[in-house]
Formats: sequence, C-alpha cells, structure tokens
Amino acid sequence: GAVVSQHPSRVICKSGTSVKIECRSLDFQATTMFWYRQFPKQSLMLMATSNEGSKATYEQGVEKDKFLINHASLTLSTLTVTSAHPEDSSFYICSARGGLAGVTDTQYFGPGTRLTVL
Amino acid sequence: AQKITQTQPGMFVQEKEAVTLDCTYDTSDPSYGLFWYKQPSSGEMIFLIYQGSYDQQNATEGRYSLNFQKARKSANLVISASQLGDSAMYFCASRGVGNEKLTFGTGTRLTIIP
Repeated sequence: GAVVSQHPSRVICKSGTSVKIECRSLDFQATTMFWYRQFPKQSLMLMATSNEGSKATYEQGVEKDKFLINHASLTLSTLTVTSAHPEDSSFYICSARGGLAGVTDTQYFGPGTRLTVL
Repeated sequence: AQKITQTQPGMFVQEKEAVTLDCTYDTSDPSYGLFWYKQPSSGEMIFLIYQGSYDQQNATEGRYSLNFQKARKSANLVISASQLGDSAMYFCASRGVGNEKLTFGTGTRLTIIP
C-alpha cells in the first residue's frame, strides 16, 4: 500500500506555544488529506479535510483559527496547533487519498503524532 | 449519512483460531465502500481490506476476508489462523459515493492469547 509519513512522532511543548505537524504522502499524489484527533481508547474524530491549493473544510466544533491547516502541495499538508493548551494534548493522525473522489479510493494513514502540552 | 456499529468492545481469542469481528452499517447511499483498519499499540492505522457495495464476491486479502451480507448491512472481518501480532484495535469504516469522509465505528480491541 501507499506510504504516508508524519513528523514529529512525538512532541512535548509548553502551554502557549505553537506546534507544527507535517504529513507527507511518499509515493503518491494526495489530492485530499485528512486530519484526525484520537483520545485514549476512542475512535478517530475527523477535524478537517483539505484539498491541495484550497482552504481546509473544518468539522463542526473544530476551531479553524486554532488548528491551522495548509495543503501546499500534492504531497504535503501541515497542521499547526496555535497557542497550545493542555486540553489540546492528544494523538493526531493524518491520512491521504489519491485519485478521483470515489468509494474505492483507500485512505492511507500516517503513523500519528502524540502531542503533550505541559 | 453513514453510521457504523461495532458491538464488540473487546475480544479474547486463542492463538491459531479464526476470529470474526462484527460490523454493521447504515447508509442511504446507493453506492458505498466498506473498509477495515488495524491500529496496534503504536498508533498507526493500517489498511486491511476493502469491499465495494456492488462487488459480487467477498473481498479477501491473505488471512483477512470480509463477510459482506448486503441485505443484513453487515461487513464482518474474518481473520483466519490468528497470530499474536493480530492483537490490536480494529476499526470498521464506510464511505458513500461523492463523500470524501470516512465514517468510523468505535472499534474492537482484539487480544490473541498464546
């Protein structure tokens, strides 16, 4: 299957700082990338969907000014958690999907980033 | 809209036995896809298998097979000859035509006992 990388895998930061997480599709062009958040022992919660060159579409309840998403190229999307607070501590996972929109397109996931805000 | 139900929060299975993880779905889309992902303790989501709603045959990928029963709206994952490395969370997901988003179930934690 296709490979999606995510960096960093783990980050610890002080409250009030901003943290950038990168998501890259290594061997395919990702027309669409997704950012999820996962709390312990829970399912994935979609935060936003981004298409290359356009603004991200955020899910209801997700603050777009707090979680900045940039999908600058077909292989790179970034999530910036601005002015992070302890309640932002979570596991963040990106996924990427190539090709035309259709039910058969598989989403491939990155390995995730564990964010801890002190 | 899509809804996925996984009714087994946890399962314990003896090594080498087959295991079935349940998944039922609810959708109004005429065409949809069903996916299974594995999430080990490391956190990565590993794609296992895909079934299209119009596929005539059940999908198979190595030890994984999908028992697709359209009339019952179920898409159970079957793992044959389970191994210790199969211990993980398993998520069922679906996506309708024209919809970019995957809808996930709550997951089943599978533990393989030696």
